[in-house]
Amino acid sequence: KNEVEQSPQNLTAQEGEFITINCSYSVGISALHWLQQHPGGGIVSLFMLSSGKKKHGRLIATINIQEKHSSLHITASHPRDSAVYICAVDTGTASKLTFGTGTRLQVTL
Amino acid sequence: NAGVTQTPKFRILKIGQSMTLQCTQDMNHNYMYWYRQDPGMGLKLIYYSVGAGITDKGEVPNGYNVSRSTTEDFPLRLELAAPSQTSVYFCASSRPRSSYNEQFFGPGTRLTVL
Repeated sequence: KNEVEQSPQNLTAQEGEFITINCSYSVGISALHWLQQHPGGGIVSLFMLSSGKKKHGRLIATINIQEKHSSLHITASHPRDSAVYICAVDTGTASKLTFGTGTRLQVTL
Repeated sequence: NAGVTQTPKFRILKIGQSMTLQCTQDMNHNYMYWYRQDPGMGLKLIYYSVGAGITDKGEVPNGYNVSRSTTEDFPLRLELAAPSQTSVYFCASSRPRSSYNEQFFGPGTRLTVL
C-alpha cells in the first residue's frame, strides 16, 4: 500500500464546476504539499499545509491531521486548470517528500 | 533569479553509456533533491543533499551517483545506463527551517535509454 493515496486518478469537469481532489496518507508528517504539473511537464508548488486551511485565488486546500486526510478544492473551474495535481507529504527528515501518483484533471468548455 | 535550471532537456543514451544531468539553483537553498518520474507512478527520490559536501540516498539510488561541491550545483551521474533508467528526472531545492518550506522544481530532463 502506498504511503500517499490520491483520488480520483482522473477527473473530467465542465467549466464552472466545483472540483475536489482527495489525499490520504498513512505516515506521520510535518507538512503536506499540493503541487501542480502542467501538460508541458513543469511542476509548481501550490500549497504547503501543516494544519487547517489555506486559500489562494480559486484554490482551497484543507488538512485534517487526526484523520490523515487533505483535500484540494477548485472553485469555478476553468480549462486552464487542466493539469495533474500531486499530493506529497513531508515526513520531516531533510524535508524529503513522498508523493502520490497524481490526479489528472481535464476541464472542458 | 533563474530558480532551478537543468540541462539537458532531452537525451537519448545507448545501453552502457554514461552521462551527467546538471542541476543549478541560484536561491542559496541548502537542500537539493533528485527525483525520477515514471508514467503512472509518483515521483521517487533518488538522492538528496542538505548542504555542500553532504549527500544521502533516497528511495531509488541504484545506478546513480551525486556530488555537492557547491551550494548551487547538484549533478546526477548515471553510470552504465540501462533501459530501466528511462524516465523524466527532476531536480528540486528548498530552504530548510522556514515557515514555508516550498520545494522549487527544475523543468526536468527526459532521458531515454535504448
